[in-house]
Amino acid sequence: DVKVTQSSRYLVKRTGEKVFLECVQDMDHENMFWYRQDPGLGLRLIYFSYDVKMKEKGDIPEGYSVSREKKERFSLILESASTNQTSMYLCATILSSGYNEQFFGPGTRLTVL
Amino acid sequence: GQQVMQIPQYQHVQEGEDFTTYCNSSTTLSNIQWYKQRPGGHPVFLIQLVKSGEVKKQKRLTFQFGEAKKNSSLHITATQTTDVGTYFCAGPYSGAGSYQLTFGKGTKLSVIP
Repeated sequence: DVKVTQSSRYLVKRTGEKVFLECVQDMDHENMFWYRQDPGLGLRLIYFSYDVKMKEKGDIPEGYSVSREKKERFSLILESASTNQTSMYLCATILSSGYNEQFFGPGTRLTVL
Repeated sequence: GQQVMQIPQYQHVQEGEDFTTYCNSSTTLSNIQWYKQRPGGHPVFLIQLVKSGEVKKQKRLTFQFGEAKKNSSLHITATQTTDVGTYFCAGPYSGAGSYQLTFGKGTKLSVIP
């Protein structure tokens, strides 16, 4: 059974803290993605990675960075968390089923106080 | 940049009524994917359409891809409470080998029993 796991389901942090969101996939795919989801705004791409140590900015990279040291792990980093980064964060990879659809993790709901 | 617009944003229907959500792209798409996100869950892939004018059915769900490959629709016949959730369309970014998707903002469906 394929899996994408995220380190926390819920997370509460304080303004200014450095926050790490971890994502691990077992599909052995090169591509991984980080999205944030906010009501009325849909899914917005923050960063994606197409190989180990490779990354590309998505639509809203400001305030975020990423790390991809191993193929199965893609980390999203909030260098100095702010209240406007309170959101649902979703990690995804590709399921090579023939459709190359994105397969999502369960999400991390981050609250920044 | 590429935009994928989806309407309506919200739809409330009585159980048994039909439901349709529409997706329009600012550019011609090579394919379009549809996802469903149940309340509290993560997006799950439903289907991919590739051919101009393509129609696919999954039980009570009918998916269409426009002749110009710039629009798509999802129609649910005789909605049930299990259909509740947010439905997203997504089109691929242009660029060979890219798995990146642009998601519409989604249509949130509520079904009144």
